[in-house]
Amino acid sequence: ELKVEQNPLFLSMQEGKNYTIYCNYSTTSDRLYWYRQDPGKSLESLFVLLSNGAVKQEGRLMASLDTKARLSTLHITAAVHDLSATYFCAVNRDDKIIFGKGTRLHILP
Amino acid sequence: DAMVIQNPRYQVTQFGKPVTLSCSQTLNHNVMYWYQQKSSQAPKLLFHYYDKDFNNEADTPDNFQSRRPNTSFCFLDIRSPGLGDAAMYLCATSRALLVDTSNQPQHFGDGTRLSIL
Repeated sequence: ELKVEQNPLFLSMQEGKNYTIYCNYSTTSDRLYWYRQDPGKSLESLFVLLSNGAVKQEGRLMASLDTKARLSTLHITAAVHDLSATYFCAVNRDDKIIFGKGTRLHILP
Repeated sequence: DAMVIQNPRYQVTQFGKPVTLSCSQTLNHNVMYWYQQKSSQAPKLLFHYYDKDFNNEADTPDNFQSRRPNTSFCFLDIRSPGLGDAAMYLCATSRALLVDTSNQPQHFGDGTRLSIL
Protein backbone atom coordinates (compact mmCIF):
# COMPACT_ATOMS: atom_id res chain seq x y z
CA GLU A 1 0.00 0.00 0.00
CA LEU A 2 1.33 3.39 -0.96
CA LYS A 3 1.69 5.79 1.96
CA VAL A 4 2.63 9.43 1.77
CA GLU A 5 3.88 11.18 4.88
CA GLN A 6 4.49 14.87 5.31
CA ASN A 7 6.54 16.52 7.97
CA PRO A 8 5.76 18.74 9.75
CA LEU A 9 1.97 18.80 9.77
CA PHE A 10 1.87 22.27 11.31
CA LEU A 11 4.39 25.03 10.91
CA SER A 12 4.34 28.55 12.24
CA MET A 13 7.17 30.75 11.13
CA GLN A 14 8.21 34.36 10.95
CA GLU A 15 8.27 36.34 7.75
CA GLY A 16 11.69 36.43 6.16
CA LYS A 17 12.74 33.01 7.43
CA ASN A 18 13.54 29.92 5.39
CA TYR A 19 12.04 26.52 5.98
CA THR A 20 11.58 23.11 4.37
CA ILE A 21 8.61 20.76 4.24
CA TYR A 22 9.39 17.08 3.74
CA CYS A 23 7.39 14.44 1.91
CA ASN A 24 8.26 10.75 2.16
CA TYR A 25 6.50 8.01 0.25
CA SER A 26 6.61 4.29 0.72
CA THR A 27 6.72 2.68 -2.72
CA THR A 28 8.24 3.44 -6.06
CA SER A 29 6.81 6.35 -7.98
CA ASP A 30 8.36 8.58 -10.59
CA ARG A 31 5.93 11.43 -10.30
CA LEU A 32 5.30 13.71 -7.38
CA TYR A 33 2.99 16.69 -7.07
CA TRP A 34 2.84 19.66 -4.76
CA TYR A 35 -0.43 21.52 -4.24
CA ARG A 36 -1.47 24.56 -2.29
CA GLN A 37 -4.85 24.92 -0.63
CA ASP A 38 -6.19 28.10 0.97
CA PRO A 39 -8.88 27.72 3.67
CA GLY A 40 -12.23 26.80 2.15
CA LYS A 41 -10.75 26.76 -1.34
CA SER A 42 -9.79 24.14 -3.85
CA LEU A 43 -6.35 22.81 -4.71
CA GLU A 44 -3.88 24.78 -6.79
CA SER A 45 -1.18 22.84 -8.58
CA LEU A 46 2.31 24.13 -7.75
CA PHE A 47 4.77 21.63 -9.13
CA VAL A 48 4.94 18.31 -10.92
CA LEU A 49 8.26 16.53 -10.43
CA LEU A 50 8.98 13.78 -12.88
CA SER A 51 12.42 12.35 -12.35
CA ASN A 52 15.16 11.79 -9.86
CA GLY A 53 16.99 14.99 -9.13
CA ALA A 54 14.24 17.18 -10.55
CA VAL A 55 14.18 20.68 -9.13
CA LYS A 56 11.57 23.31 -9.87
CA GLN A 57 11.25 26.85 -8.57
CA GLU A 58 8.45 29.35 -8.61
CA GLY A 59 8.98 32.56 -6.71
CA ARG A 60 9.90 31.78 -3.12
CA LEU A 61 9.05 28.09 -3.45
CA MET A 62 11.44 25.42 -4.65
CA ALA A 63 10.61 21.72 -4.90
CA SER A 64 12.97 18.82 -5.39
CA LEU A 65 12.65 15.07 -5.81
CA ASP A 66 14.93 12.21 -4.81
CA THR A 67 13.32 9.03 -6.07
CA LYS A 68 15.99 6.80 -4.56
CA ALA A 69 15.30 8.14 -1.10
CA ARG A 70 11.57 8.45 -1.90
CA LEU A 71 11.73 11.99 -0.65
CA SER A 72 10.58 15.34 -1.92
CA THR A 73 11.16 18.69 -0.31
CA LEU A 74 9.38 22.01 -0.63
CA HIS A 75 11.68 24.82 0.40
CA ILE A 76 10.39 28.25 1.29
CA THR A 77 12.78 31.13 0.98
CA ALA A 78 12.25 34.41 2.86
CA ALA A 79 8.65 33.58 3.70
CA VAL A 80 5.92 36.17 3.28
CA HIS A 81 2.45 36.19 4.81
CA ASP A 82 0.80 35.43 1.46
CA LEU A 83 2.34 31.97 1.52
CA SER A 84 0.19 30.98 4.49
CA ALA A 85 -1.82 27.95 3.32
CA THR A 86 -1.91 24.17 3.52
CA TYR A 87 0.57 22.43 1.26
CA PHE A 88 -0.04 18.88 0.07
CA CYS A 89 2.34 16.54 -1.60
CA ALA A 90 0.89 13.71 -3.62
CA VAL A 91 2.35 10.72 -5.38
CA ASN A 92 1.20 9.07 -8.55
CA ARG A 93 0.64 5.33 -8.46
CA ASP A 94 -0.89 3.73 -11.56
CA ASP A 95 -3.63 6.17 -12.46
CA LYS A 96 -4.28 7.53 -8.99
CA ILE A 97 -2.89 10.27 -6.85
CA ILE A 98 -2.40 9.56 -3.16
CA PHE A 99 -2.15 12.65 -0.98
CA GLY A 100 -0.19 13.29 2.16
CA LYS A 101 -2.02 14.75 5.13
CA GLY A 102 -0.85 18.25 4.33
CA THR A 103 1.31 20.80 6.08
CA ARG A 104 -0.56 23.76 7.51
CA LEU A 105 1.78 26.72 7.17
CA HIS A 106 1.16 29.91 9.11
CA ILE A 107 3.50 32.80 8.49
CA LEU A 108 3.54 35.48 11.11
CA PRO A 109 4.02 39.09 10.02
CA ASP B 1 -11.66 31.70 -16.94
CA ALA B 2 -12.83 28.78 -14.87
CA MET B 3 -12.04 25.49 -16.58
CA VAL B 4 -13.49 23.06 -14.06
CA ILE B 5 -16.78 24.31 -12.70
CA GLN B 6 -18.59 22.82 -9.76
CA ASN B 7 -22.16 23.58 -8.83
CA PRO B 8 -23.35 24.48 -6.37
CA ARG B 9 -20.54 25.88 -4.23
CA TYR B 10 -22.52 25.13 -1.09
CA GLN B 11 -25.14 22.45 -0.72
CA VAL B 12 -27.28 21.70 2.30
CA THR B 13 -29.36 18.55 2.41
CA GLN B 14 -31.24 16.57 4.97
CA PHE B 15 -30.12 13.30 6.45
CA GLY B 16 -31.13 10.54 4.05
CA LYS B 17 -32.28 12.85 1.26
CA PRO B 18 -30.56 12.15 -2.07
CA VAL B 19 -28.30 14.86 -3.38
CA THR B 20 -26.44 15.40 -6.65
CA LEU B 21 -23.31 17.46 -7.13
CA SER B 22 -22.32 18.69 -10.56
CA CYS B 23 -19.01 19.18 -12.33
CA SER B 24 -18.38 20.49 -15.82
CA GLN B 25 -15.16 21.14 -17.71
CA THR B 26 -14.17 23.18 -20.73
CA LEU B 27 -10.80 21.48 -21.14
CA ASN B 28 -12.04 18.48 -23.14
CA HIS B 29 -10.08 16.24 -20.80
CA ASN B 30 -10.62 12.52 -20.93
CA VAL B 31 -10.42 11.85 -17.22
CA MET B 32 -12.63 13.23 -14.49
CA TYR B 33 -12.18 12.53 -10.78
CA TRP B 34 -14.22 12.98 -7.65
CA TYR B 35 -12.52 13.49 -4.30
CA GLN B 36 -13.94 13.81 -0.81
CA GLN B 37 -12.09 16.08 1.58
CA LYS B 38 -13.12 16.29 5.21
CA SER B 39 -12.02 19.11 7.44
CA SER B 40 -8.26 19.24 7.99
CA GLN B 41 -7.75 16.01 6.03
CA ALA B 42 -6.22 15.11 2.71
CA PRO B 43 -8.45 14.66 -0.34
CA LYS B 44 -9.57 11.07 -0.77
CA LEU B 45 -10.26 9.71 -4.23
CA LEU B 46 -13.77 8.27 -4.59
CA PHE B 47 -13.77 7.28 -8.26
CA HIS B 48 -12.81 8.44 -11.70
CA TYR B 49 -13.93 8.16 -15.29
CA TYR B 50 -11.61 7.59 -18.19
CA ASP B 51 -13.93 8.62 -21.00
CA LYS B 52 -16.94 6.39 -20.27
CA ASP B 53 -15.03 3.82 -18.26
CA PHE B 54 -15.89 4.05 -14.59
CA ASN B 55 -13.30 3.17 -11.94
CA ASN B 56 -14.45 2.91 -8.38
CA GLU B 57 -12.06 2.93 -5.42
CA ALA B 58 -12.36 -0.21 -3.34
CA ASP B 59 -13.27 1.64 -0.17
CA THR B 60 -15.81 4.03 -1.68
CA PRO B 61 -19.18 3.36 -0.03
CA ASP B 62 -22.02 2.09 -2.20
CA ASN B 63 -23.92 5.18 -1.15
CA PHE B 64 -21.80 7.14 -3.61
CA GLN B 65 -22.52 6.86 -7.31
CA SER B 66 -21.40 8.78 -10.35
CA ARG B 67 -22.60 9.52 -13.87
CA ARG B 68 -20.80 10.94 -16.85
CA PRO B 69 -23.29 11.56 -19.64
CA ASN B 70 -20.74 13.25 -21.90
CA THR B 71 -17.15 14.47 -21.93
CA SER B 72 -17.99 17.78 -20.30
CA PHE B 73 -20.15 16.74 -17.38
CA CYS B 74 -19.78 14.44 -14.42
CA PHE B 75 -22.16 14.05 -11.48
CA LEU B 76 -21.74 12.72 -7.97
CA ASP B 77 -24.89 11.21 -6.50
CA ILE B 78 -25.17 10.49 -2.80
CA ARG B 79 -28.18 8.24 -2.40
CA SER B 80 -28.75 8.53 1.33
CA PRO B 81 -26.43 11.09 2.89
CA GLY B 82 -25.35 10.52 6.44
CA LEU B 83 -23.79 12.97 8.85
CA GLY B 84 -20.39 11.50 8.08
CA ASP B 85 -20.72 12.53 4.44
CA ALA B 86 -20.47 16.22 5.25
CA ALA B 87 -17.32 17.33 3.46
CA MET B 88 -15.87 19.31 0.60
CA TYR B 89 -16.25 17.44 -2.68
CA LEU B 90 -13.65 18.21 -5.29
CA CYS B 91 -13.88 17.47 -8.97
CA ALA B 92 -10.70 17.28 -11.02
CA THR B 93 -9.76 16.56 -14.60
CA SER B 94 -6.68 15.43 -16.45
CA ARG B 95 -5.92 15.11 -20.12
CA ALA B 96 -5.08 11.43 -19.85
CA LEU B 97 -4.53 8.87 -17.19
CA LEU B 98 -1.90 10.21 -14.85
CA VAL B 99 0.44 7.34 -15.57
CA ASP B 100 0.46 8.39 -19.21
CA THR B 101 0.84 12.13 -18.85
CA SER B 102 4.16 13.85 -18.62
CA ASN B 103 4.05 16.96 -16.54
CA GLN B 104 0.32 17.58 -16.76
CA PRO B 105 -1.26 18.08 -13.38
CA GLN B 106 -4.85 17.60 -12.43
CA HIS B 107 -7.07 20.65 -12.72
CA PHE B 108 -9.36 21.07 -9.75
CA GLY B 109 -12.68 22.82 -9.48
CA ASP B 110 -13.50 25.12 -6.56
CA GLY B 111 -15.34 22.35 -4.78
CA THR B 112 -18.81 21.91 -3.33
CA ARG B 113 -19.13 22.07 0.42
CA LEU B 114 -21.86 19.67 1.51
CA SER B 115 -23.64 20.05 4.82
CA ILE B 116 -26.07 17.49 6.24
CA LEU B 117 -28.88 18.56 8.57
